[in-house]
Amino acid sequence: DIVMTQSPLSLPVTPGEPASISCRSSQSLLHTNGYKYLDWYLQKPGQSPQLLIYLGSYRASGVPDRFEGSGSATDFTLQISRVEAEDVGVYYCMQALQTPYTFGQGTKLEIK
Amino acid sequence: QVQLRQWGAGLLKPSETLSLTCGVYGGSLSAYHWGWIRQPPGKGLEWIGRINYSGTTNYNPSLKSRVSISIDTSTNQFSLKMSSMTAADAAVYYCVRYQPTMMDAFDIWGQGEMVTVSS
Repeated sequence: DIVMTQSPLSLPVTPGEPASISCRSSQSLLHTNGYKYLDWYLQKPGQSPQLLIYLGSYRASGVPDRFEGSGSATDFTLQISRVEAEDVGVYYCMQALQTPYTFGQGTKLEIK
Repeated sequence: QVQLRQWGAGLLKPSETLSLTCGVYGGSLSAYHWGWIRQPPGKGLEWIGRINYSGTTNYNPSLKSRVSISIDTSTNQFSLKMSSMTAADAAVYYCVRYQPTMMDAFDIWGQGEMVTVSS
């Protein structure tokens, strides 16, 4: 299985400040089609996870442009340019290159 | 707007079989994969498996011997069965839709079903 490792696991952020979450995969997520099969999900308190970013850098419908995904074949980053109160929750990266799909441990973002 | 609504028995005894169903509302099963994810209390997410419209399945090898996912196109539903449940299987179970235009990212999630295993 591909192992996904996130850091940090806890991220206190002041509103209006930027935030960054790292995700590393144990093997390349670069498909032969040129896409990187890495998705980001946010699980807000008491809710089901929701898709934020797919294929490493594409924002899902309705996701604010303050969220940006980037990365290489094995190292990925989710950046929030200016954190808002509604961004609190647990962020997960997930590789979708091969089954079983695997998730990172999650990064809990909280407001200072 | 497509919604997933899931239901099933939330309290099981050890060794019993879990049975959950997910209904697809406002859309069709065709042209998509559908699947299940679970989340033990206070922990992260685990991929269980998926099924396509034709009934072809993929399962997590760690669960494969106990899991079965099926699809019923007549009722627009798909289901999860997991046998020999133990306390380690206690979790919130989510049904999801795979979006092919996003290379199968999970664009829609069900509301989740808490499953407890206790004698």
